[in-house]
Amino acid sequence: DGGITQSPKYLFRKEGQNVTLSCEQNLNHDAMYWYRQDPGQGLRLIYYSQIVNDFQKGDIAEGYSVSREKKESFPLTVTSAQKNPTAFYLCASSIGWGPVDTQYFGPGTRLTVL
Amino acid sequence: AQTVTQSQPEMSVQEAETVTLSCTYDTSESDYYLFWYKQPPSRQMILVIRQEAYKQQNATENRFSVNFQKAAKSFSLKISDSQLGDAAMYFCAYRSTQGAQKLVFGQGTRLTINP
Repeated sequence: DGGITQSPKYLFRKEGQNVTLSCEQNLNHDAMYWYRQDPGQGLRLIYYSQIVNDFQKGDIAEGYSVSREKKESFPLTVTSAQKNPTAFYLCASSIGWGPVDTQYFGPGTRLTVL
Repeated sequence: AQTVTQSQPEMSVQEAETVTLSCTYDTSESDYYLFWYKQPPSRQMILVIRQEAYKQQNATENRFSVNFQKAAKSFSLKISDSQLGDAAMYFCAYRSTQGAQKLVFGQGTRLTINP
């Protein structure tokens, strides 16, 4: 059963802690993305990766870090430098890098800072 | 930078009727892609329909169709024969053919279906 999985579904963090959100896909997609969603706003791009061992900053990369060591995995770390990390985080992937390649989304992770 | 605007925060429609969601965008590019995504209460984003800017013909997918007005930079979504399962947040999105090719999203429209 192909798709994108994100874990955990809910995550709570104390201030000053780093946390890592998992994103895995078994669709054999080359490109992967991380978006952040805040109430009343659309999604904003944090980081994206076209291929393994390569990734680029999006519009709101400050306070976040990523890695792409395997094609199927693109974990996102929310560091203590992120000023307001409470949000809903969505991972997406697409078969290729071109604009015609539809991005498919995972179910998301809700991060709350206590 | 490209921007996408959805001017209707909330819309409601009676079941089986037709509703149109509005979207406008701003870009200086001539070639790009436009999308409508649906986000139900589960919060997973689901692609509804896609339109290539170089195509004059409006895209359709079953009960969903778009009215793409390139000169006006308008991209509305029409849902015919509305069903209870259509209740969701709907996001309009723009994707460039150059650069990062990220999706730029509007703020969303919450659609309620009244039985």
